[in-house]
Amino acid sequence: GENVEQHPSTLSVQEGDSAVIKCTYSDSASNYFPWYKQELGKRPQLIIDIRSNVGEKKDQRIAVTLNKTAKHFSLHITETQPEDSAVYFCAAIPYNNNDMRFGAGTRLTVKP
Amino acid sequence: GAGVSQSPRYKVAKRGQDVALRCDPISGHVSLFWYQQALGQGPEFLTYFQNEAQLDKSGLPSDRFFAERPEGSVSTLKIQRTQQEDSAVYLCASSLAEGGQPQHFGDGTRLSIL
Repeated sequence: GENVEQHPSTLSVQEGDSAVIKCTYSDSASNYFPWYKQELGKRPQLIIDIRSNVGEKKDQRIAVTLNKTAKHFSLHITETQPEDSAVYFCAAIPYNNNDMRFGAGTRLTVKP
Repeated sequence: GAGVSQSPRYKVAKRGQDVALRCDPISGHVSLFWYQQALGQGPEFLTYFQNEAQLDKSGLPSDRFFAERPEGSVSTLKIQRTQQEDSAVYLCASSLAEGGQPQHFGDGTRLSIL
């Protein structure tokens, strides 16, 4: 089955700096890669996603890149703000099933 | 409602009791998923429904776990003879269709087994 690894587990940046979170996956059949933001005690919220036929996608301060050959994808947050502080999860879904596998999460802290 | 609704938000049970957790997906969403999230970990897949059909239950940890969605809308996750290791947040998600579609999560039920 799919195995998703996520790095780093914790990340601390100054407000205004950029943050990058990286994930790797094992199943070459995976074709959909969402990113979720989860604040303490709240639901995971989908913030951006990318499909395997696209190399990069951007939405305001958030961007995701995908390298299918290397089987890795990354989340980039620019001009970070304190409200970006949360746990971020990457995930992968193979095209032939619905078993979404999550990374272990990255706790991002943005210091004012 | 506009989002996925789960109830109860918190549930405390004694070891050995049965519990039932409810999920009301976004109206019109065909697919419904249950996940288990341990403290400090990512959600782990439990089971998946397409309408009323349970198409994948490979993630259910034991035969004490049972899920149903009899009318293709509301779903219930039941845990029989609860054990302490069942303590976790149980998340429900729904999506418009199957196969790599955005999944939208509810707030979850935090289950504590004493």
